[in-house]
Amino acid sequence: DAGITQSPRYKITETGRQVTLMCHQTWSHSYMFWYRQDLGHGLRLIYYSAAADITDKGEVPDGYVVSRSKTENFPLTLESATRSQTSVYFCASTLNVGRDEQFFGPGTRLTVL
Amino acid sequence: DQQVKQNSPSLSVQEGRISILNCDYTNSMFDYFLWYKKYPAEGPTFLISISSIKDKNEDGRFTVFLNKSAKHLSLHIVPSQPGDSAVYFCAAPSRGGSYIPTFGRGTSLIVHP
Repeated sequence: DAGITQSPRYKITETGRQVTLMCHQTWSHSYMFWYRQDLGHGLRLIYYSAAADITDKGEVPDGYVVSRSKTENFPLTLESATRSQTSVYFCASTLNVGRDEQFFGPGTRLTVL
Repeated sequence: DQQVKQNSPSLSVQEGRISILNCDYTNSMFDYFLWYKKYPAEGPTFLISISSIKDKNEDGRFTVFLNKSAKHLSLHIVPSQPGDSAVYFCAAPSRGGSYIPTFGRGTSLIVHP
């Protein structure tokens, strides 16, 4: 399927477990992003990547790890999940930052018990 | 410190009337602004944008106004329709930095039939 997809769409896990959220885009966009959406905070950038093997921290990177070995994939790993990481996670991509719009995936709702 | 502020968390409007969503910014390096619309259980989608060389951009029922001296922009929806009920995010990429967009916290618009 063309576009940007996220998996899983819903995930329940326990405190301390490792969780990986997947993101895949078919446009060969250079830039990919991970955001979390929480009530009262809007969209906050966790990490972004300008190209394969190039990643950088966003506003709220603590507790998260990313990698980008292939242009089309940008997984986000919570190494030891905490309750404060309960959120809705959105992946996005764009060809160039600045004036190009970002294309967002459908989101992953993560609950950490 | 929020560089893009949407101070109204919610707005309720009657169908057929005008909806005005506001966004303020603090960084004078911002020269391009984007609005995104988000329905529940979906990712945000691009709605409309404006460059700082303009003070208005119109696309159908949606118009964005930019007041550079006040560092303020507003999104007007006329006439409002129940299908416009969504969360609206204002975003701005910073020229002085990585050009990664900064998002406001969003305004939830409810249009009543």
